[in-house]
Amino acid sequence: AQSVTQPDIHITVSEGASLELRCNYSYGATPYLFWYVQSPGQGLQLLLKYFSGDTLVQGIKGFEAEFKRSQSSFNLRKPSVHWSDAAEYFCAVGAHVGGSQGNLIFGKGTKLSVKP
Amino acid sequence: DAGVIQSPRHEVTEMGQEVTLRCKPISGHNSLFWYRQTMMRGLELLIYFNNNVPIDDSGMPEDRFSAKMPNASFSTLKIQPSEPRDSAVYFCASSSGLAGQYEQYFGPGTRLTVT
Repeated sequence: AQSVTQPDIHITVSEGASLELRCNYSYGATPYLFWYVQSPGQGLQLLLKYFSGDTLVQGIKGFEAEFKRSQSSFNLRKPSVHWSDAAEYFCAVGAHVGGSQGNLIFGKGTKLSVKP
Repeated sequence: DAGVIQSPRHEVTEMGQEVTLRCKPISGHNSLFWYRQTMMRGLELLIYFNNNVPIDDSGMPEDRFSAKMPNASFSTLKIQPSEPRDSAVYFCASSSGLAGQYEQYFGPGTRLTVT
């Protein structure tokens, strides 16, 4: 069965510092991978997605993520965090085929706090 | 362009009452998803539709929950009777395809409190 693990429940970084949020997935083939962001009181917004091809994908708001098949990881990075990046971040995996096609499996989320 | 629209944004009700949550997907999208988010369980998929037909309702917690999609522009999630443990934020999302690569666009959610 597919699963997504985000090992860090809460991360605090200083404004201007770099950020890496971890995501590990379990899936039998090359998955579709997504990162979403949720600001307080809001719905989820897509940051970026990986389907195939270049393993380093660029997203909105200066975020990027790298797909590493050997590590079953899809970590999210940003070189310099802004206070407005404080939010909760969700990694998700989507199935290619099968009965769960269309279903996204979400991780538990990582809450990011930004210190001034 | 209007995104996914959910109503109401907040709902407070007493245990035992019927609750109906509403969702209008993005025009042209043919897949619709209902999620529930709680601190304890995170984001859970309840049910999803493709072309107005329920595809997978295995996430619906129990018979008190039901969902319908009478047409391509409207869906409801009903809880009858409601219980305090149903308190959560309920999200509706839509996408332009059912295959796993299609981005899901989320609505702002309905915060349900059952007292």
